[in-house]
Amino acid sequence: DTEVTQTPKHLVMGMTNKKSLKCEQHMGHRAMYWYKQKAKKPPELMFVYSYEKLSINESVPSRFSPECPNSSLLNLHLHALQPEDSALYLCASSQGVARSGANVLTFGAGSRLTVL
Amino acid sequence: GENVEQHPSTLSVQEGDSAVIKCTYSDSASNYFPWYKQELGKGPQLIIDIRSNVGEKKDQRIAVTLNKTAKHFSLHITETQPEDSAVYFCAARSGANSKLTFGKGITLSVRP
Repeated sequence: DTEVTQTPKHLVMGMTNKKSLKCEQHMGHRAMYWYKQKAKKPPELMFVYSYEKLSINESVPSRFSPECPNSSLLNLHLHALQPEDSALYLCASSQGVARSGANVLTFGAGSRLTVL
Repeated sequence: GENVEQHPSTLSVQEGDSAVIKCTYSDSASNYFPWYKQELGKGPQLIIDIRSNVGEKKDQRIAVTLNKTAKHFSLHITETQPEDSAVYFCAARSGANSKLTFGKGITLSVRP
């Protein structure tokens, strides 16, 4: 299995709603990532988990709350979002986060979020 | 931090022709340079990558070259096909940390 699976593919939510995005991989990767991508822009890193511990938070607002229940799963909990948070949210995984550059990122197809 | 510039922002080629996309980076400590292809409605997919100890790498119709002195790397696609039409992102991983910095992306259109 060489895939990163994200659910749901599409999500529409109001500013007062609480929802979650889910990501799953079964490649034995020990690092997992959340990226945000706006239209016609490159992915922007939000969070990195390494061995199930949060290692990087790119100053993301607290209305986004990541969770890594185990080495195969990554969640992004959403609460009190703003319309400008509407974007494609991408999950990715890699074998590790070492500086050697040997860790290739594998992306999921993304969850398209619309905040009304 | 690392800064990756990608030029041009759009490129249109005739089917069968070659396409070249160039990126420059700022951090001389960067050691890993992947290229991602993103089709409409999909996540980015790695198509080729190169490490700083190699000058060129080829995989069928796709090749990447790296010039560490000039701090630029290029994607070469030969015999382009309509299915090569997509957005292509270059990226660089800085030696100072593990963060991957992406270029702004280029939209490649292959005209049948």
